[in-house]
Amino acid sequence: DVKVTQSSRYLVKRTGEKVFLECVQDMDHENMFWYRQDPGLGLRLIYFSYDVKMKEKGDIPEGYSVSREKKERFSLILESASTNQTSMYLCASSLGQVAYEQYFGPGTRLTVT
Amino acid sequence: GNSVTQMEGPVTLSEEAFLTINCTYTATGYPSLFWYVQYPGEGLQLLLKATKADDKGSNKGFEATYRKETTSFHLEKGSVQVSDSAVYFCALSGRTGGFKTIFGAGTRLFVKA
Repeated sequence: DVKVTQSSRYLVKRTGEKVFLECVQDMDHENMFWYRQDPGLGLRLIYFSYDVKMKEKGDIPEGYSVSREKKERFSLILESASTNQTSMYLCASSLGQVAYEQYFGPGTRLTVT
Repeated sequence: GNSVTQMEGPVTLSEEAFLTINCTYTATGYPSLFWYVQYPGEGLQLLLKATKADDKGSNKGFEATYRKETTSFHLEKGSVQVSDSAVYFCALSGRTGGFKTIFGAGTRLFVKA
């Protein structure tokens, strides 16, 4: 059974803290993604990666960075957390690009106070 | 650029009622179309997909037909169950969108016993 896991289900951080969200997939997928999910806005792509050590900006990369040192792991970093980054963060992976489904983790609900 | 518009929710139905969730898209070329479902407390999972015009995707009693002439991919189910209560996302991906998957805002469905 395919699996994408995320390091935390719930996280509470203070403004200005550096925050790490970890994602691991066990399917040997090339592609990995980070989204944030907000009510009424659907999913918005933050960053994605098509290969180890490779990253591409998505639609809303400001305030975020990523790291992919190993194929199975994709980390999202909030350099200095702000309250407007309070959201649900979803990680996903896929085998290919167009027409390939994405497999999602359960999400991390991050609250920044 | 590519975009997806789906009907706003919430949609509330009684068990065994007929379900339609409308989805229309804007894209150049021939994107692939998807419906994902998110059950409470979980990440998204693929419900069905269609990769070319007039294709019908189906799964778990749900169906959607890729209509290029109306740029639509409406989700239907003949008889909903309480267990279908979830948020449904329409999505597309295509080469002209840089291979990124674009998600609609999501439609929440409540099914009453």
